[in-house]
Amino acid sequence: GAVVSQHPSWVICKSGTSVKIECRSLDFQATTMFWYRQFPKQSLMLMATSNEGSKATYEQGVEKDKFLINHASLTLSTLTVTSAHPEDSSFYICSALRAPNQPQHFGDGTRLSIL
Amino acid sequence: GENVEQHPSTLSVQEGDSAVIKCTYSDSASNYFPWYKQELGKGPQLIIDIRSNVGEKKDQRIAVTLNKTAKHFSLHITETQPEDSAVYFCAAGGGADGLTFGKGTHLIIQP
Repeated sequence: GAVVSQHPSWVICKSGTSVKIECRSLDFQATTMFWYRQFPKQSLMLMATSNEGSKATYEQGVEKDKFLINHASLTLSTLTVTSAHPEDSSFYICSALRAPNQPQHFGDGTRLSIL
Repeated sequence: GENVEQHPSTLSVQEGDSAVIKCTYSDSASNYFPWYKQELGKGPQLIIDIRSNVGEKKDQRIAVTLNKTAKHFSLHITETQPEDSAVYFCAAGGGADGLTFGKGTHLIIQP
């Protein structure tokens, strides 16, 4: 159990486009979902924490108007990169938490390339 | 906030030998310490975790030790195999918080 699915796995688009990434917990309800960003050969950096039905909490330095997070249900969170630019190109990974003090389970990530 | 240091950045060992990766953390409030394995182009996969009320945990060839006083924890892989080659990340956090990751260790198993 504890499968997390991300879609799409890879997207290429033009500068100025908005891109939506979905994160789903397939076999459990997630109290909390997290969004991370990973640049090539670097570590994962937490962007925001998302709880179902409430506004996301963003880490310092992450623009909330740039990275819109919606957590409409206990199994789905979405990250929308608005008006994307080449510097937004990165590997975006979500994770889901079944309950506090349970492990985080990660999706397989979305590789975003902005031309 | 939390800061996690991880060493070494690259580790090459002969197949069958043991590998040890070490991490330190700064926030004494952190009580959850997972280890993840990441293969190229994929998300991190949890391989083992430990909580602050335990000093050691073992799962077959993988073990983790935690020293809360010194604020460090280590991953031990014994009898390494080619499929163990990957990037390994340590992380630290609380029960329902986002994790702070180390910078990763590229483990290379030499045949």
